[in-house]
Amino acid sequence: QLQLHESGPGLVKPSETLSLTCTVSGDSISTSDYYWAWIRQPPGKGLEWIATIFYSGTTYYKPSLKSRFTISIDTSRDQFSLKLSSVTAADTAVYYCVTYRSTSGFEYWGQGTLVTVSS
Amino acid sequence: EIVLTQSPGTLSLSPGERATLSCRASQSISSTFLAWYQQKPGQAPRLLIYGASRRATGTPHRFSGSGSGTDFSLTISRLEPEDFAVYYCQQSGTFGQGTWLEIK
Repeated sequence: QLQLHESGPGLVKPSETLSLTCTVSGDSISTSDYYWAWIRQPPGKGLEWIATIFYSGTTYYKPSLKSRFTISIDTSRDQFSLKLSSVTAADTAVYYCVTYRSTSGFEYWGQGTLVTVSS
Repeated sequence: EIVLTQSPGTLSLSPGERATLSCRASQSISSTFLAWYQQKPGQAPRLLIYGASRRATGTPHRFSGSGSGTDFSLTISRLEPEDFAVYYCQQSGTFGQGTWLEIK
């Protein structure tokens, strides 16, 4: 069974760049069965899709967030990553890495990592 | 961009009762791409239903999904104590705002 695990700094200062990594186990990230995605959830609020990537490197972004986010994939390490530039307090959230298929939704989730933006 | 509107925002029911949660899309969508999730406090969301009506692995049979076009629903036939949670509908990169199902 697929397992995903997020890793990241926990605390980031305003205006800095946030980097998160998701490590995939139980299957190769190079499988054509899934896309790989990031979703975030501010404290007490709903879910927001950020970006999706395929093993080939094809990427999709939420249009309103595209300018600050970069998703990438490292098939040699079975990892995919998210970078967010110029963070503000509004970026404080739990960030989840997730699998995606259009016909079966976001199926496998990591446990999430809380990122707090504060000086 | 499609907007998904869930109603009600909060639903207060007792164990054993039937729950019906609604998800309305701002334009017609294919039921193939409509999914429902359950989220409990401190946990990641869990996929319950995909393709509008197909149960994900491990989803109890008391959960059922239906709908087409712009109107979709999630029904829980008889509420168990572990069903009280927040529920989200989703289509592609869009989530509804959630329905909080609370114990009355």
